[in-house]
Amino acid sequence: KAGVTQTPRYLIKTRGQQVTLSCSPISGHRSVSWYQQTPGQGLQFLFEYFSETQRNKGNFPGRFSGRQFSNSRSEMNVSTLELGDSALYLCASRAQENTEAFFGQGTRLTVV
Amino acid sequence: QKEVEQDPGPLSVPEGAIVSLNCTYSNSAFQYFMWYRQYSRKGPELLMYTYSSGNKEDGRFTAQVDKSSKYISLFIRDSQPSDSATYLCASGGTSYGKLTFGQGTILTVHP
Repeated sequence: KAGVTQTPRYLIKTRGQQVTLSCSPISGHRSVSWYQQTPGQGLQFLFEYFSETQRNKGNFPGRFSGRQFSNSRSEMNVSTLELGDSALYLCASRAQENTEAFFGQGTRLTVV
Repeated sequence: QKEVEQDPGPLSVPEGAIVSLNCTYSNSAFQYFMWYRQYSRKGPELLMYTYSSGNKEDGRFTAQVDKSSKYISLFIRDSQPSDSATYLCASGGTSYGKLTFGQGTILTVHP
């Protein structure tokens, strides 16, 4: 059974640009959550999607957005990139609420 | 105060030792708890998932939850150098999809 797949693995962008990251959850899982991981703040929740609907959002500015498609694949977008957006972005896949959450390998974004 | 507190370590132990990793949480609404292992430049790997107070064992790993004292632990028996990683505790159940993580404990098991 394939795990959670995130693409691309690495990205280098310039300040002011925008970026789109992709996450394919485990087959049959309908919930996808996104997290930002930095050395200073640790893992912080960005948002969660279930059956194409955003059900929850963390305390991040509106430059961070996402969506989920009918096949449960999810994308997150960051517009007007800032140096502080450099981080490891992780997505987690779950079958339903209150079940195990499985993470992908992450996308390491560097903003220069 | 962070909702989930975890001693960042670092923790260094000899091979074969029993390792004890701990977290405390402040939100009594948390319903379930997970432990993850994260190697450098990799995503977190789920080790244990627990929903109620008590112990849960899986191979060399034992997770312990005490909801009355808001304390969660992970024990690793017969630790191996390959266990060297950052260990993260996480709590959830208060809002859709959101896990609240501790800062992580860096563990080194030396031969």
